[in-house]
Amino acid sequence: QVQLVQSGAEVQKPGASVKVSCKASGYTFTSYYIHWVRQAPGQGLEWMGRINPSDGSTRYAQRFQGRVTVTRDTSTNTVYMELSSLRSEDTALYYCAREMVTTHYFDYWGQGTLVTVSS
Amino acid sequence: QSVLTQPPSASGTPGLRVTISCSGSSSNIGSHPVNWYQRLPGTAPKLLIYSNNQRPSGVPDRFSGSKSGTSASLAISGLQSEDEADYYCAAWDDNLSGFFFGAGTKVTVL
Repeated sequence: QVQLVQSGAEVQKPGASVKVSCKASGYTFTSYYIHWVRQAPGQGLEWMGRINPSDGSTRYAQRFQGRVTVTRDTSTNTVYMELSSLRSEDTALYYCAREMVTTHYFDYWGQGTLVTVSS
Repeated sequence: QSVLTQPPSASGTPGLRVTISCSGSSSNIGSHPVNWYQRLPGTAPKLLIYSNNQRPSGVPDRFSGSKSGTSASLAISGLQSEDEADYYCAAWDDNLSGFFFGAGTKVTVL
């Protein structure tokens, strides 16, 4: 069965970086984009960016440009999202989700990773 | 101010029908399919409706979606207690080159 399993919770200090992983299984890794979506406390869902695991090409939301980097490792079917220059407002649940190429919907989601930014 | 506008809340008694609206513009809903996600407390979002009105396997037919012009809506008929959740519409926006979600609508079953 399709699974997206994310890494565990993180606590980071302001100004630091965090790297969250998303390991995919149960389907052909290179046939689906992987997206990152976050939800801050009391806020809605916010799209951050995506990667095409087939060729590594990426697309990022304008507000995260320069601060987020999404990469993939095809040998382990894992996607990574790194967010730098963390601030308290980055405290959120971070989700990975998959999209069959250009269908524009996310049919499976990871369980979420809580990232807390605190001094 | 969200790119996609949803009402913050909606409610109904068991068995009745609730409708949630999602208003956008020509660069998002007007040009691209709308998808709806359900987020139950403490769980990851779940795809509820895709491509405006399609239900994934396993989603009850009590849930239906529609789109007209730059607006879309989600209807829940035969409301049940387990439908208490947050519901989000989403679409790609050409001007902003990204996916956008509505702010979410909290559905309460009275």
